[in-house]
This record gives sequence, structure tokens and C-alpha cells, in this order.
Amino acid sequence: AQSVTQPDIHITVSEGASLELRCNYSYGATPYLFWYVQSPGQGLQLLLKYFSGDTLVQGIKGFEAEFKRSQSSFNLRKPSVHWSDAAEYFCAVGGRFSGGYNKLIFGAGTRLAVHP
Amino acid sequence: KAGVTQTPRYLIKTRGQQVTLSCSPISGHRSVSWYQQTPGQGLQFLFEYFSETQRNKGNFPGRFSGRQFSNSRSEMNVSTLELGDSALYLCASSLEGATNEKLFFGSGTQLSVL
Repeated sequence: AQSVTQPDIHITVSEGASLELRCNYSYGATPYLFWYVQSPGQGLQLLLKYFSGDTLVQGIKGFEAEFKRSQSSFNLRKPSVHWSDAAEYFCAVGGRFSGGYNKLIFGAGTRLAVHP
Repeated sequence: KAGVTQTPRYLIKTRGQQVTLSCSPISGHRSVSWYQQTPGQGLQFLFEYFSETQRNKGNFPGRFSGRQFSNSRSEMNVSTLELGDSALYLCASSLEGATNEKLFFGSGTQLSVL
């Protein structure tokens, strides 16, 4: 079955440290891949997306992600975390899923805490 | 351009009641999707409307329904509320609803069922 796995529920990093959030997906074809961020009490905001081409994609707020087909992964990275990056991060896969419907499937999310 | 607007922001209902949530998409966006967000299940896709027609749907019971008006505004209805329906309901809009499009999310309606 198609799915998205974010293995880390909570991650805590110090401000200025590097960050990597993991995402693994299960999908039969080449998927559309997304990372969204949700601040407390807010909706989700798109950080970046991958459809094809260069497997390293740049997003907003200094984030980047790398698509690795062999590992079915799409990990999110940031070289230096800022306190304002504290939020919940969602990886998502878009495509045609069972039942013939197009939709976006989200991972369970990773909550990021940033220590000063 | 105004963002996606969801009303009301908070809602408290009792079991057995029904509720209607509203979503106004970004001007020019014709696709509106609805998601249920809970701590245990994460974000679950409910359905998507495009040009007043339900085009895609998730795995929710028939108690969950929706509609879209000619101005692309959408409403979601939940009948015979259950405790498990307590969640944050998020609406998202996009231009055409293509799977590779960026979704613009509203801040959600927090529904509490007592």
C-alpha cells in the first residue's frame, strides 16, 4: 500500500545546528514529493517540492531536500537552524492511489523543537 | 491576495449533532480539498471539489459530505457527530487541483465533540 513514513516524531536541536528530517515513501511510480511546515495554530505552508530533474531541490527559508530513488527517501535538510524553525514538518506524496483517485498522502509529521 | 479563509475557527458540538464548516479559497482557485488532522491519525484526506463536483475522495464514512458553490467556496458537513470526529479540519485550495500543484491551506476549524 502507498504510504509515507516519518520515523522521527520529535526532534530537538540547538539553534545554529544542522538539521535533517527523514521521510520514506512507498509508491509504485515516480511520485510527486512535498515538504510542508505547520506552525502552531496555523495551516500548512509549502517548503519545497520535487517532480523530476535535479534530485536536490531548494525551498524557502533555507531548506533543501534530496530525492533518493534507491532508498525511497526524500529527506529535508537545513545547514543552520533558527529558533523560528520550531514547528511541525510534514512530508507528503502526491499521485494516483488505490481507487483511482489523485490525492496527497501525508506522513505523521515531525515536531521540531529548537533550543537557544 | 487574500489567503484561504475558514470559518468558524472553533466549534463545540455534542454527539449526534451535525456541523457545517466553510472554506473560501484564494481568488481564482477552482480546487478545494479538505483534510482531517488529529494527533493520532495525522492528516487524512477527506475529499476534493473542482468546479462544483466532487472529484476525489478519501476513506471516510458517508456522514462526511461536502459541496462547492459556483464561486468555488466550499462547505463540509458532518452529520451524527461522534467523539472521534474531534479534530482540526483543514481546507486547502489550488488552481486546478493537479497532484503536482502547491496547496494553500487555511488555518483550520477546530471541532470539539462532547
